[in-house]
Amino acid sequence: AQKVTQAQTEISVVEKEDVTLDCVYETRDTTYYLFWYKQPPSGELVFLIRRNSFDEQNEISGRYSWNFQKSTSSFNFTITASQVVDSAVYFCALSEARAAGNKLTFGGGTRVLVKP
Amino acid sequence: EAGVAQSPRYKIIEKRQSVAFWCNPISGHATLYWYQQILGQGPKLLIQFQNNGVVDDSQLPKDRFSAERLKGVDSTLKIQPAKLEDSAVYLCASRPSGGYDYGYTFGSGTRLTVV
Repeated sequence: AQKVTQAQTEISVVEKEDVTLDCVYETRDTTYYLFWYKQPPSGELVFLIRRNSFDEQNEISGRYSWNFQKSTSSFNFTITASQVVDSAVYFCALSEARAAGNKLTFGGGTRVLVKP
Repeated sequence: EAGVAQSPRYKIIEKRQSVAFWCNPISGHATLYWYQQILGQGPKLLIQFQNNGVVDDSQLPKDRFSAERLKGVDSTLKIQPAKLEDSAVYLCASRPSGGYDYGYTFGSGTRLTVV
């Protein structure tokens, strides 16, 4: 069964500090996708990134970067030079290719609070 | 393109009452999901449809929850009777069929409070 664990429940930083969110996943499938979503106070889930299990190339997009390591089953996410608008709950999620309907399994989320 | 539409946005009911939520997915999206998000937790899948057929409802409390997707387009999720522990945000999501390299689009959710 697929499982996603986000050990950090809440992180508080001062604006301009970097924030790294940890995500560890479990799956028996060799083909899967990993996701990060942002959920601001308004409640909608905002898609940030999707990575497939065959692409371990790390990526930087603006102030966001991702570190995918299959050897440790981790898919960590970093916000560089954080801003107040980054305050939200961030969810890591997993979708297995063989799972019926390719459902998304979410972690428990990490609340990020960026103080001015 | 228009996003996933959900209504109502908020609902407050007393326990043992019934309630229904509505979702209209993105046009052409064959797969529709209903997730329950309890405060402080990640979303949990309740039921998934492929067109008008159920793919996965293993986590749906069938004694009180029901869902349908007539004609394979919009969907309704019903709770009858509601319990206090049903207080949560109910999220609807949709995606195209075929392969898993397609993004999931979530609606804004319905926030249910059971008192």
